[in-house]
Amino acid sequence: QKEVEQDPGPLSVPEGAIVSLNCTYSNSAFQYFMWYRQYSRKGPELLMYTYSSGNKEDGRFTAQVDKSSKYISLFIRDSQPSDSATYLCATTNTGRRALTFGSGTRLQVQP
Amino acid sequence: DTAVSQTPKYLVTQMGNDKSIKCEQNLGHDTMYWYKQDSKKFLKIMFSYNNKELIINETVPNRFSPKSPDKAHLNLHINSLELGDSAVYFCASSQGGGHEQYFGPGTRLTVT
Repeated sequence: QKEVEQDPGPLSVPEGAIVSLNCTYSNSAFQYFMWYRQYSRKGPELLMYTYSSGNKEDGRFTAQVDKSSKYISLFIRDSQPSDSATYLCATTNTGRRALTFGSGTRLQVQP
Repeated sequence: DTAVSQTPKYLVTQMGNDKSIKCEQNLGHDTMYWYKQDSKKFLKIMFSYNNKELIINETVPNRFSPKSPDKAHLNLHINSLELGDSAVYFCASSQGGGHEQYFGPGTRLTVT
């Protein structure tokens, strides 16, 4: 069983929809939770990170972490065709200096 | 002004050959990484270097040898390439704790 599980999708939504992307993890030592966006044939781009449980908002993106259920979410409001990409969740703990990734969810926003 | 750069972008080679991939970062970060992304897009850590010292080596075959000549550079040399080495290799860098990592554009390696 992988340490971080993520539904691979693809997830197809109409433009303007609210998108919910989710991951679960098994290692309770993880403290940092990241979301990366990866366009086709490009490197992963850090969207945001959260430390421990709680919410973090950045524009149309909201990251949510529930450590009690080991559940990580990313919400995208007013989704745009330019949001079409693979979204990767990642986790780590203090001092580890390596990220453990989920397998990524492919998102398609239809115009 | 690219933050993390890699060369080459594409590498096609035959089984048994030896090849190198270079990475440079101009962010002033103290830690650099190599990750491998397989055909299913799964990204997995290979190596991590902090201030030129190897700190993570994740059960990678010893045909893979990383080298960090200074804090801004991390190279990956692969001996005796095998078909299973075909993947995209990403370099990344971070400062401090390692949770904010910035990735390069990747090197797509194809072994025939």
